[in-house]
Amino acid sequence: NAGVMQNPRHLVRRRGQEARLRCSPMKGHSHVYWYRQLPEEGLKFMVYLQKENIIDESGMPKERFSAEFPKEGPSILRIQQVVRGDSAAYFCASSPSGQGAAGYTFGSGTRLTVV
Amino acid sequence: AQTVTQSQPEMSVQEAETVTLSCTYDTSENNYYLFWYKQPPSRQMILVIRQEAYKQQNATENRFSVNFQKAAKSFSLKISDSQLGDTAMYFCAFGSYNTDKLIFGTGTRLQVFP
Repeated sequence: NAGVMQNPRHLVRRRGQEARLRCSPMKGHSHVYWYRQLPEEGLKFMVYLQKENIIDESGMPKERFSAEFPKEGPSILRIQQVVRGDSAAYFCASSPSGQGAAGYTFGSGTRLTVV
Repeated sequence: AQTVTQSQPEMSVQEAETVTLSCTYDTSENNYYLFWYKQPPSRQMILVIRQEAYKQQNATENRFSVNFQKAAKSFSLKISDSQLGDTAMYFCAFGSYNTDKLIFGTGTRLQVFP
């Protein structure tokens, strides 16, 4: 039973490019959460999705960031026109239905570096 | 809004000794979860221990135990018989029953030395 799979592990983008981060939840998990970890800080919630629905996007920056979790395939966190301040580790977690935060399994994260 | 505070940016302990990491939080909710996560240099977030607020008994997982003081909103982690592999960042986190998201503290960097 593979855990939460995130790819790529490392991603380098030039300022102004787009970054696409992927997250495949654990088998049987229907809830996906994205968190961002800036250097020397804790993780901060960005968005919570279920299949084809955004449930809570209260932590998402208003511009350039979007997330989806389609019926088929992984969840995608998309950052358009990246800037240096977007450099961070982005973590995905998944949880089975009904367990919420108590059922989290985290992926290994994607480290985004904007040059 | 909930907040989580870890006031010890760095701690160190000798192998086989015991160390306690502090965490305080603020919430108006009565039912919630509290967690300690370990983040080694590999960056993986590893759940160390979980406490449900309605349970008075402190959670224990092998060498890891917590001191949960609900009235004081305190949730410290005790690591007994420290091992070199315990070297990592440790994050305290609050989880609400009402939302599915976690609120993390800023972390404590623990170094275990021989």
